[in-house]
Amino acid sequence: DIVMTQTPLSSPVTLGQPASISCRSSQSLVNSDGNTYLSWLQQRPGQPPRLLIYKISNRLSGVPDRFSGSGAGTDFTLKISRVEAEDVGVYYCTQASQLPYTFGQGTKLEIK
Amino acid sequence: QVQLQASGPGLVKPSGTLSLTCAVSGGFISTNNWWSWVRQPPGKGLEWIGEIHHSGKTNYNPSLKSRVSISVDKSKNQFSLNLSSVTAADTAVYFCARERTYWGQGTLVTVSS
Repeated sequence: DIVMTQTPLSSPVTLGQPASISCRSSQSLVNSDGNTYLSWLQQRPGQPPRLLIYKISNRLSGVPDRFSGSGAGTDFTLKISRVEAEDVGVYYCTQASQLPYTFGQGTKLEIK
Repeated sequence: QVQLQASGPGLVKPSGTLSLTCAVSGGFISTNNWWSWVRQPPGKGLEWIGEIHHSGKTNYNPSLKSRVSISVDKSKNQFSLNLSSVTAADTAVYFCARERTYWGQGTLVTVSS
């Protein structure tokens, strides 16, 4: 199985300041079709996960543009340019390039 | 907008079978998508259980493969999860999803006598 490792596991951030979450995979996520199926999910307290970013850097419709994704191969990053109160929650990276699909441990974003 | 709603017993006895159904609305299950089950133990992270295509093709997590079965009912626009020989370790919120784009609210299943 591909192991997804996120850092940090907890990120206290001041409102209006940027935040960054790293995700590293134990193997390259480049699929045989040439795509990299790395996504980022947000899970607010008491809610199901919500897809923010797919295929490394594509924002789902309706996701604020303060969220951006980057990376390649085994190293990926989610950035929030200016954190807002509604961004509090747990963020997961997940890969669908190889079965079984796997998730990172989650990074808890909280306001200082 | 596709919506998913998981339902089923909230309490299952140890060694029994957990059975959940996910009703899909706002779209047809017979589209070229994969329909998934993901679970989350209380206070913990996400675990992919498996997925099914409307053609009936399935993929399962090897860690659960011997106990899992996912099926689809196109006439009812829903898909289902069966997990056999459950233990307390299977206590979790179970989510159904269309790939990773649309997620249901999740349903808590507790394994206890």
